[in-house]
Amino acid sequence: GESVGLHLPTLSVQEGDNSIINCAYSNSASDYFIWYKQESGKGPQFIIDIRSNMDKRQGQRVTVLLNKTVKHLSLQIAATQPGDSAVYFCAENAAYQFYFGTGTSLTVIP
Amino acid sequence: DVKVTQSSRYLVKRTGEKVFLECVQDMDHENMFWYRQDPGLGLRLIYFSYDVKMKEKGDIPEGYSVSREKKERFSLILESASTNQTSMYLCAISIPGQGLFFGEGSRLTVL
Repeated sequence: GESVGLHLPTLSVQEGDNSIINCAYSNSASDYFIWYKQESGKGPQFIIDIRSNMDKRQGQRVTVLLNKTVKHLSLQIAATQPGDSAVYFCAENAAYQFYFGTGTSLTVIP
Repeated sequence: DVKVTQSSRYLVKRTGEKVFLECVQDMDHENMFWYRQDPGLGLRLIYFSYDVKMKEKGDIPEGYSVSREKKERFSLILESASTNQTSMYLCAISIPGQGLFFGEGSRLTVL
């Protein structure tokens, strides 16, 4: 199977700071990537996506960066808020299949 | 907005019981998936379906079956539940070009 992993299992940040969550993928053929947020006891929530023909995509307070050379994906959250506390994981799409990382648990310290 | 509904959020069953997990979508999407999510293992694909009455095995189909009699409904069936099937089960639909969207999950405990 695919190897989609995250560099750190946990991340703590101060409220108001920026957060960066990283993800590595292994399949060069992957052409579509998604970041999800999952709060405790809930299903994963789609945050932002990016296609392989792009390097960067911005949403509301979130930015996804894609570095295809090193097969690396990152999610940046600006001005992190307590409501951002959750598990974040990435997904890659290759050949109509999705592969998921195990997630990084983000804790926002008030 | 995409809406994926899993009717049972929490279930407790006994070993050997038959378990039905239902997933309903409110749009006319073809592609539906069942995953299980376990700590440290991420999401693993159990079964998926590209159309009514069509089903394909995912990575971990053993102990599970599925049913897709209508386009909007995709059911996961545990014929004889076992304790190692205690998990969070997630239904998802994919919209080509737009991503994969999940329901709220069904947390199953098998005693």
